[in-house]
Amino acid sequence: AQKITQTQPGMFVQEKEAVTLDCTYDTSDPSYGLFWYKQPSSGEMIFLIYQGSYDQQNATEGRYSLNFQKARKSANLVISASQLGDSAMYFCAMSVYNQGGKLIFGQGTELSVKP
Amino acid sequence: NAGVTQTPKFRVLKTGQSMTLLCAQDMNHEYMYWYRQDPGMGLRLIHYSVGEGTTAKGEVPDGYNVSRLKKQNFLLGLESAAPSQTSVYFCASSYSRGGTEAFFGQGTRLTVV
Repeated sequence: AQKITQTQPGMFVQEKEAVTLDCTYDTSDPSYGLFWYKQPSSGEMIFLIYQGSYDQQNATEGRYSLNFQKARKSANLVISASQLGDSAMYFCAMSVYNQGGKLIFGQGTELSVKP
Repeated sequence: NAGVTQTPKFRVLKTGQSMTLLCAQDMNHEYMYWYRQDPGMGLRLIHYSVGEGTTAKGEVPDGYNVSRLKKQNFLLGLESAAPSQTSVYFCASSYSRGGTEAFFGQGTRLTVV
């Protein structure tokens, strides 16, 4: 069975510093995608970044990068130069391609950025 | 750009009442999903659809039914609401089965008293 684990219920980071949010996954299927979503206090789900299982390079989107270590089955999110607006809940998710594209989510990490 | 629209945004039900949540997407996506979000548990998949006329069970399907009569709409029904179904419900859609991101609606906050 597929599973996503986020072991950090809450994190604090100083404004302008970098922070890493941990995510490990479990699947025996070779074809999958890994996603990070942000959920601010307003409640909407905002897509941040995607990494395919066959992608050779780590994905980057602006200040977000995904540290993909396939052998360790980890997909950590790195946010550089944190901003106050980054304070939110962050969810790691996985989709196995031959299972209808359904996203399996971790429990989330609540990030608080301190001024 | 409307994207994914959920109706209603808020609802309070009495135990035993029924209701339908509507999800509409205007992106011509094949895949649609219903999730529920409870504190400390992330999002859990209730039901999903891989195309018009198809539905499949997710992780927590009990007490819910769904229909996908039109490609753009995915309905979630509660036949006899229970307090355990108090949650925030999210609908999502995606173009492909895993290679692209899912787009989410704004959520429906349902309280069953």
